[in-house]
Amino acid sequence: AQSVTQPDIHITVSEGASLELRCNYSYGATPYLFWYVQSPGQGLQLLLKYFSGDTLVQGIKGFEAEFKRSQSSFNLRKPSVHWSDAAEYFCAVGAPDDMRFGAGTRLTVKP
Amino acid sequence: KAGVTQTPRYLIKTRGQQVTLSCSPISGHRSVSWYQQTPGQGLQFLFEYFSETQRNKGNFPGRFSGRQFSNSRSEMNVSTLELGDSALYLCASSIQSSGANVLTFGAGSRLTVL
Repeated sequence: AQSVTQPDIHITVSEGASLELRCNYSYGATPYLFWYVQSPGQGLQLLLKYFSGDTLVQGIKGFEAEFKRSQSSFNLRKPSVHWSDAAEYFCAVGAPDDMRFGAGTRLTVKP
Repeated sequence: KAGVTQTPRYLIKTRGQQVTLSCSPISGHRSVSWYQQTPGQGLQFLFEYFSETQRNKGNFPGRFSGRQFSNSRSEMNVSTLELGDSALYLCASSIQSSGANVLTFGAGSRLTVL
């Protein structure tokens, strides 16, 4: 069965510092991978996705993620964090009829 | 292009009551999925509908049900509400059910059960 693990429940970074959020997945075939962001009380917004091809994918708001099949990972990165990036981030794998989400990583940004 | 619309946004019910939540997908999207989000359990898949047929169902009791109409709009119903049903209920739509497709989420319906 497919599953997603986000090892970090909560991360705090200083504004301007770099960020990496970890995601490991278990999936039988070629995975469809996603990162979503959620602000308090809101729905989830898609940051980026990987379906195939180039393993480094660019998303909105300056985020990128790298698919590493050998490590079953799809880590999210941003070179310089802004205060507005404070939110909860979810990694997901699968298709709409069977999408699995990680538990989420809450990001706090220190001024 | 209008996004996914969920109504109502907030509602308060008491134990034993029932509730119906509505979701209007993006125009042209035929797949609608429902998720329950709670602080303790995270995002849990409820069910997914495509062309008025339930394609997949999560591990929830029979009190949770849903349907999809011919215009792709979907409703979910929770009967005999329990305190533990308090949650943010998220609806998401997609063009297709399977394969490489993106879920677009609505803002959610916040249900509080007293």
